[in-house]
Amino acid sequence: AQSVAQPEDQVNVAEGNPLTVKCTYSVSGNPYLFWYVQYPNRGLQFLLKYITGDNLVKGSYGFEAEFNKSQTSFHLKKPSALVSDSALYFCAVRALNSGNTPLVFGKGTRLSVIA
Amino acid sequence: DGGITQSPKYLFRKEGQNVTLSCEQNLNHDAMYWYRQDPGQGLRLIYYSQIVNDFQKGDIAEGYSVSREKKESFPLTVTSAQKNPTAFYLCASTPLTGPGDYGDTFGSGTRLTVV
Repeated sequence: AQSVAQPEDQVNVAEGNPLTVKCTYSVSGNPYLFWYVQYPNRGLQFLLKYITGDNLVKGSYGFEAEFNKSQTSFHLKKPSALVSDSALYFCAVRALNSGNTPLVFGKGTRLSVIA
Repeated sequence: DGGITQSPKYLFRKEGQNVTLSCEQNLNHDAMYWYRQDPGQGLRLIYYSQIVNDFQKGDIAEGYSVSREKKESFPLTVTSAQKNPTAFYLCASTPLTGPGDYGDTFGSGTRLTVV
């Protein structure tokens, strides 16, 4: 069975500081990993994905994520946080080559960037 | 513009009523999904459909029903058997072979409240 853990319910960071939102996963075989962001009362917006290749993936709005196979982690990072980054962030996994089987989501991490 | 449209944005249900949430996509995606979002619980899968006229139960299907008569449409009915329906409902879609460059596509959600 697939699963995703986001160990922090809330992450607080000062504007301009680097941010990290943690994600670990469990999947049979190789993973297809995603990060999504959600603003209040809105759907999920795609930030970035990892399928194969370079372990450092760059995505939208200056975000990046690092895939670590040995630690089964896919942490989301940004070098300099903005107040507008404050939102709810979800990590999700799907087994590679599983076609369009449903994503499995973590419980989400609320990021608060303080000016 | 291609995308997923969920309607209505807000819905109020009286005790004992069935209500239907609409989800329409013009992306020519094969698979469609319904998720329920509650605070602190992430996204939980209700039902999904990988092809027209076929659908499967997700983790929390009790009290819900779906149909997939057309590729573009995947309505969700919240029945009176669902005892705690107040939540935010999200619809998503993806192509047959899995998500492309931008992951699964999400609608903007329907907030259902029992009154």
